[in-house]
Amino acid sequence: DAKTTQPNSMESNEEEPVHLPCNHSTISGTDYIHWYRQLPSQGPEYVIHGLTSNVNNRMASLAIAEDRKSSTLILHRATLRDAAVYYCIPSAGNTPLVFGKGTRLSVIA
Amino acid sequence: NAGVTQTPKFQVLKTGQSMTLQCAQDMNHNSMYWYRQDPGMGLRLIYYSASEGTTDKGEVPNGYNVSRLNKREFSLRLESAAPSQTSVYFCASSEAFPAFSYNEQFFGPGTRLTVL
Repeated sequence: DAKTTQPNSMESNEEEPVHLPCNHSTISGTDYIHWYRQLPSQGPEYVIHGLTSNVNNRMASLAIAEDRKSSTLILHRATLRDAAVYYCIPSAGNTPLVFGKGTRLSVIA
Repeated sequence: NAGVTQTPKFQVLKTGQSMTLQCAQDMNHNSMYWYRQDPGMGLRLIYYSASEGTTDKGEVPNGYNVSRLNKREFSLRLESAAPSQTSVYFCASSEAFPAFSYNEQFFGPGTRLTVL
């Protein structure tokens, strides 16, 4: 499995954009990059995934570096409901997802 | 459409007692997973079932057994509970195995287990 490095915690003001970085320098060429988040006292939920190109969905955007060794999850306007632990997960394609410690995002009103 | 359901939500056991955690999904998914999450930690995979009739060990299988009862249900059994098994247990499912490409994993709400 590719090793990932994420900040332990980040803070954002409400309604401002948030950029959550992830370093995955050992990612293989066929690994997708998944992002999940875990709201307090809940199970994780899928946020977004990508392979090489930047991706957008209703929840967030994913910017993937050209060399694929890093990616950034972008929340365009953070809300209080976005306070959660965010997990960046490169998937090997032949094993279940492996969750690290993630980044705990706090949103300040 | 309930997604992934887990029972019970909370459980307190004494050391040495046994219990079974139940998980069911109504999305016709082929693959199911059991994770545990200790305070301040990420999720660690205990066992998974790639498809009905198969089960495999994950990262931390010791002290647990699983049964894929049918396509919908995947149970986790603690034969002799220990304080080290105090944790939150999450069940998940995905359409296919492994959970790559667009086969996102759907998680249940968790079972909070305390072993005294």
